[in-house]
Amino acid sequence: DAGVTQSPTHLIKTRGQQVTLRCSPKSGHDTVSWYQQALGQGPQFIFQYYEEEERQRGNFPDRFSGHQFPNYSSELNVNALLLGDSALYLCASSYTAGVGTGELFFGEGSRLTVL
Amino acid sequence: AQTVTQSQPEMSVQEAETVTLSCTYDTSENNYYLFWYKQPPSRQMILVIRQEAYKQQNATENRFSVNFQKAAKSFSLKISDSQLGDTAMYFCAFTNSGGSNYKLTFGKGTLLTVNP
Repeated sequence: DAGVTQSPTHLIKTRGQQVTLRCSPKSGHDTVSWYQQALGQGPQFIFQYYEEEERQRGNFPDRFSGHQFPNYSSELNVNALLLGDSALYLCASSYTAGVGTGELFFGEGSRLTVL
Repeated sequence: AQTVTQSQPEMSVQEAETVTLSCTYDTSENNYYLFWYKQPPSRQMILVIRQEAYKQQNATENRFSVNFQKAAKSFSLKISDSQLGDTAMYFCAFTNSGGSNYKLTFGKGTLLTVNP
């Protein structure tokens, strides 16, 4: 049973560029959340997708956008990159359509460096 | 808004000893979940233990146990018989239980080093 997979694992961009990060949820999960983890900090919630729609959003600008596909996989897009966007981006999956436990399953993350 | 505070940026413990990591939180909710997640150097965050706020009994998972004090909004993690593999960042996290939304609010983490 594959867990949460993310790609790419590392990438380097320059200021002003755009980036797309990808996530495949754990088998059987229908909800994908994205978190940003700056160096030395705890993860911060970006947004969550369920049934191909953004269900919740954290305190992040519109430069951060996402998408969920019918197979529940998801993309995170960041436009007009800033130096401060350098971070580990974590994808987490969960199962909404049922009695939940609150537990998230995380991928290993995509390390984004903006120069 | 919910907040989670971990006041110990770093801790160390000798192998086989016991260590306690502290966490406090602030919420106006009455029903919620609290978690401790472990993030080893490989980066993948994994769940260590979970506590449901309506349950008075403290959760335990093998060598890991919590001291949940709801009135004090405190949620500490005790690791018994520490092992070298316990070396990691530990994050305390909170989510309310309404709507199955699973939006987690994390603390800044505690770096635990287990020394041989």
